[in-house]
Amino acid sequence: RKEVEQDPGPFNVPEGATVAFNCTYSNSASQSFFWYRQDCRKEPKLLMSVYSSGNEDGRFTAQLNRASQYISLLIRDSKLSDSATYLCVVTRRDSNYQLIWGAGTKLIIKP
Amino acid sequence: SQTIHQWPATLVQPVGSPLSLECTVEGTSNPNLYWYRQAAGRGLQLLFYSVGIGQISSEVPQNLSASRPQDRQFILSSKKLLLSDSGFYLCAWNPITDTQYFGPGTRLTVL
Repeated sequence: RKEVEQDPGPFNVPEGATVAFNCTYSNSASQSFFWYRQDCRKEPKLLMSVYSSGNEDGRFTAQLNRASQYISLLIRDSKLSDSATYLCVVTRRDSNYQLIWGAGTKLIIKP
Repeated sequence: SQTIHQWPATLVQPVGSPLSLECTVEGTSNPNLYWYRQAAGRGLQLLFYSVGIGQISSEVPQNLSASRPQDRQFILSSKKLLLSDSGFYLCAWNPITDTQYFGPGTRLTVL
């Protein structure tokens, strides 16, 4: 079993809709959590960190559920420019804070 | 502000040829540095990380090597490339926090 798992998608969503996807992690020692966005043939870019209390940045909301060991990303009022692959990332204290990467969820926003 | 550079941006090499990819970071000192590889349609695979000059940790045994001759320079090398070395090579750094920031990447095709 992979340490960080994501549904690869693609999620095909009409513009303006709300979309959510989850990421599960297997190591309970996971310490920090992030969502990155990667456009086609580009480097990943940090979208947002995920805090225990949940956090929101404009149309994006991230939540952490430690009991069930998953994090989620919610995108409201989706835009065509939201089309990308969303990578879930966790760090764990016992690995020198190295990042453990999910394989990503591909999101396609259709007009 | 900090910036991270990688070159070349694109590379086509024959099987058995050597490789040298360079990554440099500006605007910070003593960063942790990372080399990742991303195969087509796959997640990020950590290859090497370095916490200081001359300090290299290898995550995956393979025909690649890394060196850190200067504080802000990280080099990925191979003596003889394999077909399976094709991919998108990303260099990343992180400040005191565990968030990582990526360079623009090098797309390597081994023929």
